[in-house]
Amino acid sequence: EAGVAQSPRYKIIEKRQSVAFWCNPISGHATLYWYQQILGQGPKLLIQFQNNGVVDDSQLPKDRFSAERLKGVDSTLKIQPAKLEDSAVYLCASSLARYGTYSGANVLTFGAGSRLTVL
Amino acid sequence: AQKITQTQPGMFVQEKEAVTLDCTYDTSDQSYGLFWYKQPSSGEMIFLIYQGSYDEQNATEGRYSLNFQKARKSANLVISASQLGDSAMYFCAMREGPGTGNQFYFGTGTSLTVIP
Repeated sequence: EAGVAQSPRYKIIEKRQSVAFWCNPISGHATLYWYQQILGQGPKLLIQFQNNGVVDDSQLPKDRFSAERLKGVDSTLKIQPAKLEDSAVYLCASSLARYGTYSGANVLTFGAGSRLTVL
Repeated sequence: AQKITQTQPGMFVQEKEAVTLDCTYDTSDQSYGLFWYKQPSSGEMIFLIYQGSYDEQNATEGRYSLNFQKARKSANLVISASQLGDSAMYFCAMREGPGTGNQFYFGTGTSLTVIP
């Protein structure tokens, strides 16, 4: 089984520039998550998709962050304009779990992450 | 309130010794799952072990075991016979029941260093 694919692995931009990250989840996984992990901290959920619908984006800074999951498969996370505090690793994860069902042991499988440095 | 609390920012253990990483959680759901992930310096999050809220026995996976104390709401990870490759960040996580949309909550992590 292929894992969660993410690109790019590394990106360096200047503040006020824009950046986009791409994620392709494990085939058949209905739920896709984007997490932000600042150095030394645990992952913080930005947005959760169930197929191509948004389940939770309450912690997404919508003035600068946007995300979409067209056709319920791969997803793109965009930041425009970037700020210094956006420097972090952006982790994409997917899970078989479906909203409204008890999913118990369905594991969250992560990609390798995209490390963003904003100068 | 924090959903997941990890109170040990850093831990050291001698190679071949056992170590316990602490995790407490907060939920009012009856159905939930508890997970531990390992994050080496390379950055990927690796799933280690899972415990369901209705599981009566503690989960084990090779050298990893989860000490589940439901009444205390704790889910400590025990690593036996530590190896140098176990040096990493360890995150405890919880998935609440179906009513919450399968959200995962992560703790702040514990950095484990294995000393030769």
